Amino acid sequence: RKEVEQDPGPFNVPEGATVAFNCTYSNSASQSFFWYRQDCRKEPKLLMSVYSSGNEDGRFTAQLNRASQYISLLIRDSKLSDSATYLCAVNKGSTLGRLYFGRGTQLTVWP
Amino acid sequence: EAGVTQFPSHSVIEKGQTVTLRCDPISGHDNLYWYRRVMGKEIKFLLHFVKESKQDESGMPNNRFLAERTGGTYSTLKVQPAELEDSGVYFCASSQLPGQGIGNTIYFGEGSWLTVV
Repeated sequence: RKEVEQDPGPFNVPEGATVAFNCTYSNSASQSFFWYRQDCRKEPKLLMSVYSSGNEDGRFTAQLNRASQYISLLIRDSKLSDSATYLCAVNKGSTLGRLYFGRGTQLTVWP
Repeated sequence: EAGVTQFPSHSVIEKGQTVTLRCDPISGHDNLYWYRRVMGKEIKFLLHFVKESKQDESGMPNNRFLAERTGGTYSTLKVQPAELEDSGVYFCASSQLPGQGIGNTIYFGEGSWLTVV
């Protein structure tokens, strides 16, 4: 069973839409949770970290549900520039240096 | 400040050949990581250096892969002999402290794209 499962999409939404991605993780020992953004043929870049129940940064909200072992990312008022692949990642306290990634969810925002 | 740099950005080699990928971490980052993404799969951890020491190499797929970080600065990842299934993008990353966490960010390079034919 994969450590992190993520719906690959693709999600195609118009500008201004609200879109949500979900990600589930299998290991209850997972301690920290992250969303990365990856543009085509570029490196993953940290978008948000989630250490407790949730985190909000402008149009982006990440939430964590430990009981159900999932994290979500909500993007409000989508912009064309939000088009990218969004990766969720977790790490465990025992192996801090190791991130477990999902396969990524592709988002395209159209005008 | 320069980010994580990787060389080559693209490489096409024949099955059975050897390829060496190089990573220069951000200056001052003791922690260096290698990850890879093969077609259709998720990004997977390969190994983690702290300075010149291998902290965790549990993700290395087999003994055809050799990572080194002599002197604790740049790192190389050698694949010998390369197989078709080794094709993918190899990401290097670095951070000051181990792991992604509060006050510590892992920065990724743009990756080295390897195609084995």
